[in-house]
Amino acid sequence: QVQLQESGPGLMKPSETLSLSCTVSGGSINNHYWSWIRQPAGKGLEWIGCIHVSGITNYNPSLKSRVTMSVDTSKNDFSLKLRSVTAADTAVYYCARGDWGWDSWGQGTLVTVSS
Amino acid sequence: DIQMTQSPSSLSASVGDRVTITCQASQDITNYLSWYQHKPGKAPKLLIYDASNLETGVPSRFSGSGSGTDFTFTISSLQPEDIATYYCQQYDNLPRTFGGGTTVEI
Repeated sequence: QVQLQESGPGLMKPSETLSLSCTVSGGSINNHYWSWIRQPAGKGLEWIGCIHVSGITNYNPSLKSRVTMSVDTSKNDFSLKLRSVTAADTAVYYCARGDWGWDSWGQGTLVTVSS
Repeated sequence: DIQMTQSPSSLSASVGDRVTITCQASQDITNYLSWYQHKPGKAPKLLIYDASNLETGVPSRFSGSGSGTDFTFTISSLQPEDIATYYCQQYDNLPRTFGGGTTVEI
């Protein structure tokens, strides 16, 4: 059974670049889309975007100008970079398998943006 | 973006009750709709895809129906472990969008 684990900083300052990675174990990163989804405290779920190992990416237009996703097949992981973060980017960030019906998820990592 | 409107935003029910949640899309999404269960501190769990297909391993008390713009999610007999927030999500168009969530309490 595939497992996903997010890693990244817990606390950041405004204007910094958020870098998160998601390690995939128990399965290959090939032949799937991989997504990032976040949930601000007290709010609902927001799709950030997805990437395929071929390099195809789809980003939420609301974040597109600040987001970059990448895949490292040698490490079986994929990454998210979100530039110029603000307090509004404070959220639990999840990685998940798929580009629509996400059947496997990481446990989520809380990222807090505060000066 | 396709807007997904879920109702109610919260509900309280008793063990054994039938629980129904509705989700309305701002435009026709055919049957490209999923339902997720989200418990605090846990990852969301896919329950239903293609509006009515039960994900493998999900108990049969969960079901979904609908097409076009109007969808329904049902728990036929509420169990204590079903306490969670439930989200609908469309994948007809990009960006993928979620409903606002329905918190189910006992």
